[in-house]
Amino acid sequence: ILNVEQSPQSLHVQEGDSTNFTCSFPSSNFYALHWYRWETAKSPEALFVMTLNGDEKKKGRISATLNTKEGYSYLYIKGSQPEDSATYLCALGAGGADGLTFGKGTHLIIQP
Amino acid sequence: EPEVTQTPSHQVTQMGQEVILRCVPISNHLYFYWYRQILGQKVEFLVSFYNNEISEKSEIFDDQFSVERPDGSNFTLKIRSTKLEDSAMYFCASSAREGVTEAFFGQGTRLTVV
Repeated sequence: ILNVEQSPQSLHVQEGDSTNFTCSFPSSNFYALHWYRWETAKSPEALFVMTLNGDEKKKGRISATLNTKEGYSYLYIKGSQPEDSATYLCALGAGGADGLTFGKGTHLIIQP
Repeated sequence: EPEVTQTPSHQVTQMGQEVILRCVPISNHLYFYWYRQILGQKVEFLVSFYNNEISEKSEIFDDQFSVERPDGSNFTLKIRSTKLEDSAMYFCASSAREGVTEAFFGQGTRLTVV
């Protein structure tokens, strides 16, 4: 059974500050890591899909890195805004028929 | 922008009743999924569906669950005899192709079994 862990569980950040949080996973049999943003009452929205060790992806103020050898990924948010408040989920999965295995998420609250 | 839609958004049902959760995946997608999240727990994979049959299912997806794609657009999850522990948010998702790619999720159906 794959165990995907995210930390911290929740995070309060002042508007304008930068922040980051972690997703840890078993480094063996790795295929792909997915990051999702899930705002209350909305659909989880895909942010990144990462497959290669050392990969770094960026979308606006949000970026993510991947270390498959040590089994972690970081998500960074630069200059947090209130609209960044959401739960950020990471998941492992190869795609296709393979279902995703999720972590519990990091609940991020941006305080004005 | 294409999206996955789920109905209803909230369903309350009595224990022992059958319930059908409905989803319309993105039209040109090939893989379809159901996930659930029990309050306070992780999102859990239930089943994947491809080419009109189940591709993979988790231990959770036992005989009381079934999925169907009855008409080429809808994708349904049926729970035959609901239990209290089936209360959860159920998410439908779809993805466009084989291999590593993002899955698109619906907004979820909150199922409450009383």
